[in-house]
Amino acid sequence: AQKITQTQPGMFVQEKEAVTLDCTYDTSDQSYGLFWYKQPSSGEMIFLIYQGSYDEQNATEGRYSLNFQKARKSANLVISASQLGDSAMYFCAMREGRNQGGKLIFGQGTELSVKP
Amino acid sequence: NAGVTQTPKFQVLKTGQSMTLQCAQDMNHEYMSWYRQDPGMGLRLIHYSVGAGITDQGEVPNGYNVSRSTTEDFPLRLLSAAPSQTSVYFCASSYSAHAGRNGYTFGSGTRLTVV
Repeated sequence: AQKITQTQPGMFVQEKEAVTLDCTYDTSDQSYGLFWYKQPSSGEMIFLIYQGSYDEQNATEGRYSLNFQKARKSANLVISASQLGDSAMYFCAMREGRNQGGKLIFGQGTELSVKP
Repeated sequence: NAGVTQTPKFQVLKTGQSMTLQCAQDMNHEYMSWYRQDPGMGLRLIHYSVGAGITDQGEVPNGYNVSRSTTEDFPLRLLSAAPSQTSVYFCASSYSAHAGRNGYTFGSGTRLTVV
């Protein structure tokens, strides 16, 4: 069974609008971390935002926020005021357990296209 | 510049050849890992290391070897290249086991083609 599911292979959004990229996860660990990465066409992996399983508040980093619903096991990325430079692949990833350094499980990604 | 450096950026191998993908970081990170990314898929963990001298297998370790003799370097060896190993390879590192708000830092990737 997939541990990270991103159900939207591709998304379109109009420039300056907000967009939500979906991510659901499956784990039996109580302690885990959720990450979102951006991969532009140039190929590098850019870290965007992190949510710990014990964090009571949703994470925010500039225009990025993470809508964390623990009971539903979802960790959706919200990008506000989309810009043309936001066009890229976006990956949701999970680290199970607290001491699993280096071990990330990735979803299949969502390709976001921002229209002018 | 501080970060994770991968070499080479591109490589073409013939089936059966061996090679080493290099990964170096200058951030004094204990935790390092190798991933492969195939078209239309997310990254999959090959091997990882929690410190010098300590390595372990990830999800897709077959056909690859690693060693970690120093904190800075974590090379990935392809023993006998196969077309199925055509992929983009990423090295990543983190300071702590849980990474947290600093995330994992990724190298720019090595695009490998096996013919």
